[in-house]
Amino acid sequence: AQRVTQPEKLLSVFKGAPVELKCNYSYSGSPELFWYVQYSRQRLQLLLRHISRESIKGFTADLNKGETSFHLKKPFAQEEDSAMYYCALQTGANNLFFGTGTRLTVIP
Amino acid sequence: DGGITQSPKYLFRKEGQNVTLSCEQNLNHDAMYWYRQDPGQGLRLIYYSQIVNDFQKGDIAEGYSVSREKKESFPLTVTSAQKNPTAFYLCATYSGRDTQYFGPGTRLTVL
Repeated sequence: AQRVTQPEKLLSVFKGAPVELKCNYSYSGSPELFWYVQYSRQRLQLLLRHISRESIKGFTADLNKGETSFHLKKPFAQEEDSAMYYCALQTGANNLFFGTGTRLTVIP
Repeated sequence: DGGITQSPKYLFRKEGQNVTLSCEQNLNHDAMYWYRQDPGQGLRLIYYSQIVNDFQKGDIAEGYSVSREKKESFPLTVTSAQKNPTAFYLCATYSGRDTQYFGPGTRLTVL
């Protein structure tokens, strides 16, 4: 069965410090992974997907099939990055299986 | 924002009552989804529908029911059989091309 693990419920970093939100997955098929973000009082929205290999708002995530990881990274955290972040795995029928989320707080 | 609307924003229900949450979309997307969001548990899939007049159970379908009579609408009924219905409910759609798009959510509280 599929599984997405985000080991940190809460993560606090200082502004300007690097940030890494961890995500590990378990899936027998070929994984398609996403990071979603939910800012305060806004709806859940896509941040990035591994297929596109792009950087959004300074965030990047590399799929490591050997370690079954898809960690989200940003070299210099900004206050506006404070939000709830969800890692998600797309399975058959285009369903998304979400991790439990990590709340990132960037301290000024 | 727009394209996916959920109503009401807040909903209160007495124990033993059924309640229906609305989800409407004008994106012309075929697939629609209902998730439940609880603190510390992330989002869990309740039901999904790939096409009109067809829907499938997700991971936590017990105590819920849905219908998909129109492409634009995918209402979720929380029945009295759902033992712990207080949660934030999210509706989403999928175009078949990129990813899912989410509505603003409905917060249901059982009194």
